[in-house]
Amino acid sequence: NAGVMQNPRHLVRRRGQEARLRCSPMKGHSHVYWYRQLPEEGLKFMVYLQKENIIDESGMPKERFSAEFPKEGPSILRIQQVVRGDSAAYFCASSPGSGGATEAFFGQGTRLTVV
Amino acid sequence: GENVEQHPSTLSVQEGDSAVIKCTYSDSASNYFPWYKQELGKGPQLIIDIRSNVGEKKDQRIAVTLNKTAKHFSLHITETQPEDSAVYFCAASRGGANSKLTFGKGITLSVRP
Repeated sequence: NAGVMQNPRHLVRRRGQEARLRCSPMKGHSHVYWYRQLPEEGLKFMVYLQKENIIDESGMPKERFSAEFPKEGPSILRIQQVVRGDSAAYFCASSPGSGGATEAFFGQGTRLTVV
Repeated sequence: GENVEQHPSTLSVQEGDSAVIKCTYSDSASNYFPWYKQELGKGPQLIIDIRSNVGEKKDQRIAVTLNKTAKHFSLHITETQPEDSAVYFCAASRGGANSKLTFGKGITLSVRP
């Protein structure tokens, strides 16, 4: 049973370009979470999605950031017009969901560098 | 919202000694408390968790205790080994539609051979 798969592992973008980060949850998991980690800091929640629905986006910046989890395919975190401050490690986690607090398993992350 | 604080920020122990990492949380509605281990360049790995209906849970050399009244929980690692060296994060969650995790800032554990 493969774990949470994120790609790419490393992504370099110039200021103003778009970044697309992909996350495939563990088999059987229908809940996906995105977190951002700055150097020497903990993980900050961004968004929580279920298939075709955004459940909680309270941690998403109001502009330039969007996320989706379509019926088919991976979850996508999209950052438009990237700026240097977007440089960070972005982690995706998945859980089986179905109510209550359940274990969340993380991928290896995508390290975004904006130059 | 929830606020999770973790202390100390660094901890160094001799191989074979025990290590204790403490966290406090602010939201009395939080009911799920996982601990993650993160090695350099990797994603967080879930190592143990506890729910609010129990006070202690153990898995081999690792144990977690929860004090709901005082709103704090602790990770205990016994017989530490060099491979235990990593950053450890505590987190808290309410569950359900509020199942996002609020993380502490992490502690760097160094185990001296």
